[in-house]
Amino acid sequence: DVKVTQSSRYLVKRTGEKVFLECVQDMDHENMFWYRQDPGLGLRLIYFSYDVKMKEKGDIPEGYSVSREKKERFSLILESASTNQTSMYLCASSHDFYEQYFGPGTRLTVT
Amino acid sequence: DQQVKQNSPSLSVQEGRISILNCDYTNSMFDYFLWYKKYPAEGPTFLISISSIKDKNEDGRFTVFLNKSAKHLSLHIVPSQPGDSAVYFCAASARNGNEKLTFGTGTRLTIIP
Repeated sequence: DVKVTQSSRYLVKRTGEKVFLECVQDMDHENMFWYRQDPGLGLRLIYFSYDVKMKEKGDIPEGYSVSREKKERFSLILESASTNQTSMYLCASSHDFYEQYFGPGTRLTVT
Repeated sequence: DQQVKQNSPSLSVQEGRISILNCDYTNSMFDYFLWYKKYPAEGPTFLISISSIKDKNEDGRFTVFLNKSAKHLSLHIVPSQPGDSAVYFCAASARNGNEKLTFGTGTRLTIIP
């Protein structure tokens, strides 16, 4: 079974802090994704990566950056957290771009 | 600009009856569609998919129908079971584009015992 793990289930940070969200997958997938899920807005793609050190902007990249130094690990970085980044963050991986496997999510609260 | 829309935020169905979840899309370049199911405090899990060359795909109790002319797809669950209570997201992809998934806003399905 594919396993995607995320470093934290719940996280509380203060406005202006730098935040790192880590994601690790164990199926040697080429593609990895970061989404945020908000009520009434569904899942929105922040960034994705199709190879080590490669990254592509999704639909809402503003305020975020990513890092992929190893194939199995994809990090989402909030350089200076703001209250409008309070959300559920979901990481996913896939062999192709279609059937994505998701981690359990990190609920981030920025106060 | 919501390219994939699920107009019903919630749906309640009696156990044993058919559940029908609907999804509409606007981008005519979309040619592959998926349904995901999400329980609280878990990530979404893939349920079923359909390519635009088909109009129906079945997997056990789950059937997805695609009407390309109407840009509409639906997920039928029959018979509905209490474990089907979850949020369902439809997603679409354009294989000739950058192939990322565009998700709908989700429908919360509640199965009433």
